[in-house]
Amino acid sequence: EVQLVDSGGGLVQPGGSLRLSCAASGFTFSDYAMNWVRQAPGKGLEWVSYISTSMTDIYYADSVKGRFTISRDNARNSLYLQMNSLRAEDTGVYYCARDEVVVGGRSYFYGMDVWGQGTTVTVSS
Amino acid sequence: SYELTQSLSVSVALGQTARITCGGNNIEKRNVHWYRQKPGQAPVLLMYRDNNRPSGIPERFSGSNSGNTATLTISRAQAGDEADYYCQVWDSTSWVFGAGTKVSVL
Repeated sequence: EVQLVDSGGGLVQPGGSLRLSCAASGFTFSDYAMNWVRQAPGKGLEWVSYISTSMTDIYYADSVKGRFTISRDNARNSLYLQMNSLRAEDTGVYYCARDEVVVGGRSYFYGMDVWGQGTTVTVSS
Repeated sequence: SYELTQSLSVSVALGQTARITCGGNNIEKRNVHWYRQKPGQAPVLLMYRDNNRPSGIPERFSGSNSGNTATLTISRAQAGDEADYYCQVWDSTSWVFGAGTKVSVL
């Protein structure tokens, strides 16, 4: 079964740090670009960060640039999000989501077709 | 940065057709993806590249993209279609989501 499992959320004080993880199974993780997407309580979806298969392309939303770092370990089938200098407005559910697949050097786009169940981050004193 | 405009809410009678729009400047030049999210659940991909349904998505769902508006159409609406619907496009180095449309089935 194709699956993403998010973990690492919790309660943290403003200015603190957290590291989120996303464990992939059921597919060749290294063939897929990945994203983090978040959702503040009662709000819509907000894209946070993207990482390509080989980590050569990494992008961030302006709201997290300089504070968050996305990374991946293809040998461990895992995606990470290191979050530093956390603010109250970073509170929400964080989802990892699968993106384009790279086959034979070509990218194929099918939207974010697999999502983790989400992990909750609460930034509060 | 690119912006997507969605109506806040859409109501549809049971068995009728709902149309959810996503506005953006010359959006027809972009690939639009659509997601459905029910309360307490992760989003689910409904439509990719304007009008392609992933495996498992019923034919009742269809998509189109022309001019400045992309549209997700739900035919023969069911009670289970009540959810938030989001459109999405890629803009150079970032993904952009619309604010979401809440669909109510009456």
